[in-house]
Amino acid sequence: DAGITQSPRHKVTETGTPVTLRCHQTENHRYMYWYRQDPGHGLRLIHYSYGVKDTDKGEVSDGYSVSRSKTEDFLLTLESATSSQTSVYFCAISESNPRDPGSYEQYFGPGTRLTVT
Amino acid sequence: KNQVEQSPQSLIILEGKNCTLQCNYTVSPFSNLRWYKQDTGRGPVSLTIMTFSENTKSNGRYTATLDADTKQSSLHITASQLSDSASYICVVSALNNQGGKLIFGQGTELSVKP
Repeated sequence: DAGITQSPRHKVTETGTPVTLRCHQTENHRYMYWYRQDPGHGLRLIHYSYGVKDTDKGEVSDGYSVSRSKTEDFLLTLESATSSQTSVYFCAISESNPRDPGSYEQYFGPGTRLTVT
Repeated sequence: KNQVEQSPQSLIILEGKNCTLQCNYTVSPFSNLRWYKQDTGRGPVSLTIMTFSENTKSNGRYTATLDADTKQSSLHITASQLSDSASYICVVSALNNQGGKLIFGQGTELSVKP
C-alpha cells in the first residue's frame, strides 16, 4: 500500500462520541486526501491537504474535521459520530495538486472500517 | 452533472475466461480516465490511465480502451485468474481553469471461480 498506514483498521463506536482516524505516510508526498466508500456510491472526497496546516473541504465534509501538523500525518476527526458516518474510510497520497487531482496517481491506504452504533 | 456509470454491477466468470467491464461517463471537461483494482479489504490500486488522445492502454492481461466521442471506456481482462477477483473502479478526472476533481464510479465486482 505504497508506504501508507491507517489506524485503527477497524473501530466500533457509539453515536455522539468523537472519533479520530490516523493516516501515516512514509513517501513524503505533499498532498493527502480523505475519502469515504459506501455501497452504492463511488469514493467521495471528505477533506484534503495541500501541506502542513493547509487543508480544505471536499464534497462531503459536514461533520468531519482534519488536521495536518506534520507532512507524514493526516488526521480525520468525526466530531460527534452519527450512524450515517458508518463507512470505510480511505486515505490517499499523491503528487497531484488538489487543483488537478488526476494529474498523478493517487495511492490509497488499506482503509479503516468504522461502525457507529 | 458529472457522473460515471459502470456496468455490470457484478460479474461471475470461470477461471481462464475473458471478460469486459464498461464505464460510461458524462464528465466535462475531460482530462483523463483511470481504472483501479480494489481487492477485498484493501485500497484501490491504479491499473491504467488514458488521456483524450489515447484509444487503448495495456497492463499485462488488462487492456483498457477509450472512446472520447461516445464517452465510453472498457476494461478487458484476458485469461482470467482467481487473483483477478476484485472490484474494478473507473475514475474520470475533470479539469477546467477553476480546478479539477475526480469522479469515481461505483465499481464492478468481479468474481473469478475455479
